[in-house]
Amino acid sequence: EAQVTQNPRYLITVTGKKLTVTCSQNMNHEYMSWYRQDPGLGLRQIYYSMNVEVTDKGDVPEGYKVSRKEKRNFPLILESPSPNQTSLYFCATSLSGTGARYEQYFGPGTRLTVT
Amino acid sequence: AQSVAQPEDQVNVAEGNPLTVKCTYSVSGNPYLFWYVQYPNRGLQFLLKYITGDNLVKGSYGFEAEFNKSQTSFHLKKPSALVSDSALYFCAVRDGFAYGGSQGNLIFGKGTKLSVKP
Repeated sequence: EAQVTQNPRYLITVTGKKLTVTCSQNMNHEYMSWYRQDPGLGLRQIYYSMNVEVTDKGDVPEGYKVSRKEKRNFPLILESPSPNQTSLYFCATSLSGTGARYEQYFGPGTRLTVT
Repeated sequence: AQSVAQPEDQVNVAEGNPLTVKCTYSVSGNPYLFWYVQYPNRGLQFLLKYITGDNLVKGSYGFEAEFNKSQTSFHLKKPSALVSDSALYFCAVRDGFAYGGSQGNLIFGKGTKLSVKP
């Protein structure tokens, strides 16, 4: 079954404690992306990756890091989380980032609370 | 710069009535337009897209959307709403002439909550 998986699904942590949210896809998609969803703001892109070893900033990259060492995985790293990073996070993939016609497939989401 | 607007935060419809969720967009080139649906505690699911061709696009779960270039709109429609259609709906746009880089990324609207009452 084609899918995008995220772990953990729920996480409560404290300010400053490093954390990683994993994202994995089994569709051999080139393009992967992280979004955060906040009430009244919709989805905002954090980082994206056009292919292995190619990553770039989205609209709200501050406080986040990513890596793309292999095609299927795209972890999101918060080196020193702060309360304003409390949000619902989604990983998404697409067959190609250069093909504008391709839709994105979303993971189930990770709800992060930073106290 | 590309942008998308969903003017209604919430749309209320009675079951069996037609529904419309509005979306307008702005891009510099040809638009590639998408609708996604988010059910509670779930990720976004792709509903339909307009790339080129027929202005009326049919998608999943009986939804359709009409592309109107002159009004720069891509409204989502369904002839007869179901209670199970209640969810959050997102319109998204990508500039068809912007390959790669941040300009090639999807821009999402803020979402419209659809509530269908029995």
